[in-house]
Amino acid sequence: GAGVSQSPSNKVTEKGKDVELRCDPISGHTALYWYRQSLGQGLEFLIYFQGNSAPDKSGLPSDRFSAERTGGSVSTLTIQRTQQEDSAVYLCASSLQRGWDSPLHFGNGTRLTVT
Amino acid sequence: AQTVTQSQPEMSVQEAETVTLSCTYDTSENNYYLFWYKQPPSRQMILVIRQEAYKQQNATENRFSVNFQKAAKSFSLKISDSQLGDTAMYFCAFMKLNAGNNRKLIWGLGTSLAVNP
Repeated sequence: GAGVSQSPSNKVTEKGKDVELRCDPISGHTALYWYRQSLGQGLEFLIYFQGNSAPDKSGLPSDRFSAERTGGSVSTLTIQRTQQEDSAVYLCASSLQRGWDSPLHFGNGTRLTVT
Repeated sequence: AQTVTQSQPEMSVQEAETVTLSCTYDTSENNYYLFWYKQPPSRQMILVIRQEAYKQQNATENRFSVNFQKAAKSFSLKISDSQLGDTAMYFCAFMKLNAGNNRKLIWGLGTSLAVNP
């Protein structure tokens, strides 16, 4: 596809379960970002990938959150032992690495609801 | 640390009229970008306009323009000839330039804009 693809679109899980959220960036985009959008808190940066490595993971809120990227392409954000406060929309974005003019392209997000 | 403030949680405008959304930010950086993004119900963030801090000229994209006041740390968005399709959440965002090419954005809380027929 031409854009950033995220799956699933919506996910409902029970408190304490683990979830995996997937992001498929635009082909050729070496930079990939995860953001969390919570009600009343706006968007928060979670992690930045450059290729398969994550030089900035400063936004991950706890050790229950982890992310990986393989083959310089697909990324998975994993939340272990989900809590109700993890309910949010998780947005992925990708960009070309060169030049500051390369814009971020966002996916449609995954809405996570923890019951 | 940088912060971005959008003081208008909700706004409305009549179709074909002009509306201005406010944004202020706080930073000690000198080299940075500012952005306005639009988020319709589809949830996808769509770039509306961006401004490089070193440029004095205000950015313009068709019906969208900004008033960038660097000394005042203000970055407002003007939408002219508002259309029903402009109805969305609008977010102001800040990005500092860094050696790692990290496009980490700091976001405001957003302004919900309704364009009324």
